[in-house]
Amino acid sequence: QTVVTQEPSFSVSPGGTVTLTCGLSSGSVSTYKYCSWYQQTPGQPPRTLIYGTNTRSFGVPDRFSGSILGDKAALTITGAQADDESDYYCMLYMGGGIYVFGTGTKVTVL
Amino acid sequence: QVQLQESGPGLVKPSETLSLNCTVSGGSINNHYWSWIRQPPGKGLEWIGQIYSSGSTTYNPSLKSRVTMSVDTSKNQFSLKLSSVTPADTAVYYCARYGHYCFDSWGQGTLVTVSS
Repeated sequence: QTVVTQEPSFSVSPGGTVTLTCGLSSGSVSTYKYCSWYQQTPGQPPRTLIYGTNTRSFGVPDRFSGSILGDKAALTITGAQADDESDYYCMLYMGGGIYVFGTGTKVTVL
Repeated sequence: QVQLQESGPGLVKPSETLSLNCTVSGGSINNHYWSWIRQPPGKGLEWIGQIYSSGSTTYNPSLKSRVTMSVDTSKNQFSLKLSSVTPADTAVYYCARYGHYCFDSWGQGTLVTVSS
């Protein structure tokens, strides 16, 4: 069974930069996995940040960016703000109409 | 902008079948892919399955034996059935639209508790 791995948690200072990654238990993440990133705060549905590896969803601030770093997908927050404190999930398209979410990363801004 | 709303019982007994509907408003259900996603309390997101407006489906292999999804285009609605539930199926269940290589529209979610 495919597992999509993310760091469990990260702490970042206000104004700082943090890079979250999204990897596969076997194999590498390429653009053909069409990685998307979601931000979730407690009690709310996820909000789409990035799709197609590196395209920001409508209304998402440009401090959020997506990329491929080595064999993983990455989400970078540049100039973190207090309201970026959330859970972040990546999702990969595995082909054949199958999708897998990552394990999630809790980001603390302090 | 399309809106999605989940509906269904909030409490289901173990071994019974969980049934949820998702009503789509502000847009047509036709020519789109629609998914169910769940999140157990305090845990991460899990994709359950997807249905196209034509009725073709794909399911999470780990749940495939228990999941059935259907679509009713006349009602702009799609549905989820999960059989033989256990307390491990307790979760917030979300419906979502897949578009632009992501889930671009989400319902607010509905908590389903499996308990006797």
